[in-house]
Amino acid sequence: QVQLQQWGAGVLKPSETLSLTCAVSGGSFSGYYWNWIRQSPEKGLEWIGQINHSGSTNYNPSLKSRVTMSVDTSKNQFSLRLTSVTAADTAVYFCVLRNPSSGSFDFWGQGTLVTVSS
Amino acid sequence: QSVLPQPPSVSGAPGQRVTISCTGSRSNIGADYGVHWYQQFPGTSPKLLIYGNTNRPAGVPDRFSGSKSGTSASLAITGLQVEDEADYYCQSYDSSLRSYVFGTGTKVTVL
Repeated sequence: QVQLQQWGAGVLKPSETLSLTCAVSGGSFSGYYWNWIRQSPEKGLEWIGQINHSGSTNYNPSLKSRVTMSVDTSKNQFSLRLTSVTAADTAVYFCVLRNPSSGSFDFWGQGTLVTVSS
Repeated sequence: QSVLPQPPSVSGAPGQRVTISCTGSRSNIGADYGVHWYQQFPGTSPKLLIYGNTNRPAGVPDRFSGSKSGTSASLAITGLQVEDEADYYCQSYDSSLRSYVFGTGTKVTVL
């Protein structure tokens, strides 16, 4: 069974950079797209972006100017960087694998609560 | 973004049938992008419940079913059980926003 384990800083100050990493293991996940999704009471579930094994990315246009995703296929890991965070970026961040055939988000990490506060 | 409106809550007695609507537009559900549904318990990650409008992943009970018509989709739970009490979200792709989009979420309460 595919498992995603994510980690990163949980508390940030405004203007700092959010950095999270996700490791994928188990099962078969070849061809899946590697995504980041966040969830907050204010905005609900919000797609941040995705990256594939070759490093090709697609970002949510509303966040594109601040988002960078990268992948390390040798370690089966992918990462998220979100710059210039504000309180509005406070949310639970999930790493997620998207099925290329169905388009559905099939496998989810455990989530990381990131709080932005001065 | 949560751009697919859903009813905030639905409730039913054990054994009853409940449905959750997901309202879209011509740039998402109506553009023939697949609709997927997720179940989320408090403090946990969402779990895929229905993919491609009507399909259940292995292990999902057949009391859960999905449908789609025009610019809307629905999730039905037939024979409601206490363990179905959770939040449910629809999801699709929006060509105008160029983004994957989610529903606003519906809390199912078993009376």
